[in-house]
Amino acid sequence: DSGVTQTPKHLITATGQRVTLRCSPRSGDLSVYWYQQSLDQGLQFLIQYYNGEERAKGNILERFSAQQFPDLHSELNLSSLELGDSALYFCASSVDQGARTEAFFGQGTRLTVV
Amino acid sequence: GESVGLHLPTLSVQEGDNSIINCAYSNSASDYFIWYKQESGKGPQFIIDIRSNMDKRQGQRVTVLLNKTVKHLSLQIAATQPGDSAVYFCAENKGGQNFVFGPGTRLSVLP
Repeated sequence: DSGVTQTPKHLITATGQRVTLRCSPRSGDLSVYWYQQSLDQGLQFLIQYYNGEERAKGNILERFSAQQFPDLHSELNLSSLELGDSALYFCASSVDQGARTEAFFGQGTRLTVV
Repeated sequence: GESVGLHLPTLSVQEGDNSIINCAYSNSASDYFIWYKQESGKGPQFIIDIRSNMDKRQGQRVTVLLNKTVKHLSLQIAATQPGDSAVYFCAENKGGQNFVFGPGTRLSVLP
């Protein structure tokens, strides 16, 4: 168990809908990262927050947004969902914001858009 | 369990043998690399990292080799065990949090 908790584990929704994925980082970790893993694209970095502020952006679509709350948990909001958004979404956390700090991944949320 | 990729290259090794998993990277200026292990139904797990000023780094039963001349990274697992069965992929740091992840190799350990 990495200590990173993601909910829900599975989510099935229809195209055009909006969903929220939730992540609780390891105790003491200030940095949260979101990744998307799909069969055709592999693992892709979406966005990073550190202590409530956005720190880095990767391949995140404009339909997607995230935030980190004062208690350090984070949410990833996916809207106007398309079939191609079906993927595993991972959250990871680390103690600080550097790229060379080991990040610990949650078990992921499997999103299926039908 | 979850499948991270149905058409990944697969490496099958006998239990107790050594495994070598390879990865090619794209940017000769990349200066930091990580190997991850992903078991079925789980998130990626950090195994070992290496900076570009090194060509070899050893961990517990694992060794990473970096060949900057040909932009190639390899992960060697000694005395492979059934618990090593997983998908392994490398990550190349292109600056900041910009990591590019390889497609992965599925390691299957035969009894």
